[in-house]
Amino acid sequence: QSALTQPASVSGSPGQSITFSCTGNNNDLGTYNLVSWYQQHPGNAPKLIIYGVNKRPSGISDRFSGSKSGTTASLTISGLQVEDEADYYCCSYGGSNTFIFGTGTRVSVL
Amino acid sequence: EVQLLESGGDLIQPGGSLRLSCEVSGFTFSNYVMTWVRQAPGKGLEWVSSVLGDGSGTYYADSVKGRFVISRGNSDNTLYLQMNNLRAEDTAIYYCARGGTVVRSWFDSWGQGTRVTVSS
Repeated sequence: QSALTQPASVSGSPGQSITFSCTGNNNDLGTYNLVSWYQQHPGNAPKLIIYGVNKRPSGISDRFSGSKSGTTASLTISGLQVEDEADYYCCSYGGSNTFIFGTGTRVSVL
Repeated sequence: EVQLLESGGDLIQPGGSLRLSCEVSGFTFSNYVMTWVRQAPGKGLEWVSSVLGDGSGTYYADSVKGRFVISRGNSDNTLYLQMNNLRAEDTAIYYCARGGTVVRSWFDSWGQGTRVTVSS
């Protein structure tokens, strides 16, 4: 299965809100509400920030929120901060005990 | 505290074999699905393989099916990935990650990764 499609890069100023998408098809995002999002700073391991479309693990700022409509999931970062500068990956259950990651979005804080 | 520590990465020639390990602590290992995810240099994340908590079910990405074998030792809290017939495109950082109690879940804890380089 092909990777989920994300914009390569998104940027914003401190304090702004940004939203970016993760697009799949009816075999993954369109069928399952098993979307998760991961934040990865350079040289570090990925970190879970959203699961089950819109739930946050303990300790994750409420500035991060997720949503899904049809075959597209979205991640919103509100009140953008310098430390939010990182790569972000969506992931969906793909059926038949497989998973598909997105292509990744690099967030820059100007 | 949940901890995952990968090891076993190395420089290996094409066609060679390598076994990665992931030692875990801080949770009841046998209760959780465990997964390997890899990241090629400068590229995105790719799901590689998952194994059920009791080891009874194993699942693979098409890119590694027939070459990689995932297993686990629940008595010593260790996840393994046996990698055979390695190709240049297997070059990546390999992360182990904890899933849920069922496959249909997400990855809530990750190790720091171990680097595999396939090159002559």
